[in-house]
Amino acid sequence: SQQGEEDPQALSIQEGENATMNCSYKTSINNLQWYRQNSGRGLVHLILIRSNEREKHSGRLRVTLDTSKKSSSLLITASRAADTASYFCATNHIFSRQLTFGSGTQLTVLP
Amino acid sequence: EAQVTQNPRYLITVTGKKLTVTCSQNMNHEYMSWYRQDPGLGLRQIYYSMNVEVTDKGDVPEGYKVSRKEKRNFPLILESPSPNQTSLYFCASNSRDSNQPQHFGDGTRLSIL
Repeated sequence: SQQGEEDPQALSIQEGENATMNCSYKTSINNLQWYRQNSGRGLVHLILIRSNEREKHSGRLRVTLDTSKKSSSLLITASRAADTASYFCATNHIFSRQLTFGSGTQLTVLP
Repeated sequence: EAQVTQNPRYLITVTGKKLTVTCSQNMNHEYMSWYRQDPGLGLRQIYYSMNVEVTDKGDVPEGYKVSRKEKRNFPLILESPSPNQTSLYFCASNSRDSNQPQHFGDGTRLSIL
């Protein structure tokens, strides 16, 4: 399968700092989505960016998409301990409805 | 409240004993899917369904069956479970519009001994 890959696999920062996670993918996409997962729980949708968009904001989240490089980044500003979770990017492929997930970035925000 | 409900949340069983994990959504979504999540591998799609009576294999369908007799329900069936199917399973649904996010259940942790 054409899987997205997140980078880094793990990230540890202090409360108040910004966290940046990157995602690369291989095929043409309809959109790219970011999800958050608290330990052992279901995934919660954070933000969706369409292939014709370059940047999107939602609260403390900022997502960019570069379709020429097949990459996306998720920035969480002014991080809080409650942001500690795993973050996944998922690509919605242009010729199918399937979502393909990366293996995730484990973010730890230290108080 | 809009939700995807999976049952059971936890199950420990033995090799070869048939089991079914139920999934139900109350959002009238056409599209439903099952994923398994294993450490270091992210989520991998097992099966998906575009609508009632329409199902298709995902990336890792071997050893699983599904059915979609009603729009709201999408059970996952393990006819003869094996230890390599020990995993965390998620059901998800979304509408016909692919620019809408998927809604996930809370997960089912299966242990096959």
